[in-house]
Amino acid sequence: EVQLQQSGPELEKPGASVKISCKASGYSFTGYNMNWVKQSNGKSLEWIGNIDPYYGGTSYNQKFKGKATLTVDKSSSTAYMQLKSLTSEDSAVYYCARGDGNFFDYWGQGTTLTVSS
Amino acid sequence: DIQMTQSPASLSASVGETVTITCGASENIYGALNWYQRKQGKSPQLLIYGATNLADGMSSRFSGSGSGRQYSLKISSLHPDDVATYYCQNVLSTPWTFGGGTKLEIK
Repeated sequence: EVQLQQSGPELEKPGASVKISCKASGYSFTGYNMNWVKQSNGKSLEWIGNIDPYYGGTSYNQKFKGKATLTVDKSSSTAYMQLKSLTSEDSAVYYCARGDGNFFDYWGQGTTLTVSS
Repeated sequence: DIQMTQSPASLSASVGETVTITCGASENIYGALNWYQRKQGKSPQLLIYGATNLADGMSSRFSGSGSGRQYSLKISSLHPDDVATYYCQNVLSTPWTFGGGTKLEIK
């Protein structure tokens, strides 16, 4: 069974950085891209970017370049997203989602990030 | 970036009814469109891919159609379990963009 298990909720101060993890199981981790998606306060979804776990290549939404950094650890089948220079605008639920071609067939449970002083 | 516009933003219908949600793209996306269902408190779930293909495990009461810039999601014989927010997604070119969502409620 394919599962994407994300790390728990985060509370961070403005200006800080945070690293969210997404541990994959039930499939060949290096065989599928991993995408990251932001959902702000019940609003719509924004694609942040994705990473090819095999080669480590990344593709980012221009809006999130400089904000998000995607990495993987193949040894533990875990994808990571680091967000830096946090502001209140970064408060959201963040999802990892497996990419099969150009659709997202499995999603993590979401990680809630709250940025507050 | 390709802009995706969904309508209506919210919808209320009765059990057994058929409803249609539409999604318009700012340019021709050649069928590169997906639909997702997100139930309250849950992660989004793939519903339709490639505009017309039903994802594994999803009910055949859901169907997708469309081409060019205009796409539709039809839900036949509404069930209470269909209460959710539905999103379309452009996957023609990055950044992959989503519609604003349609919140479906049961009367």
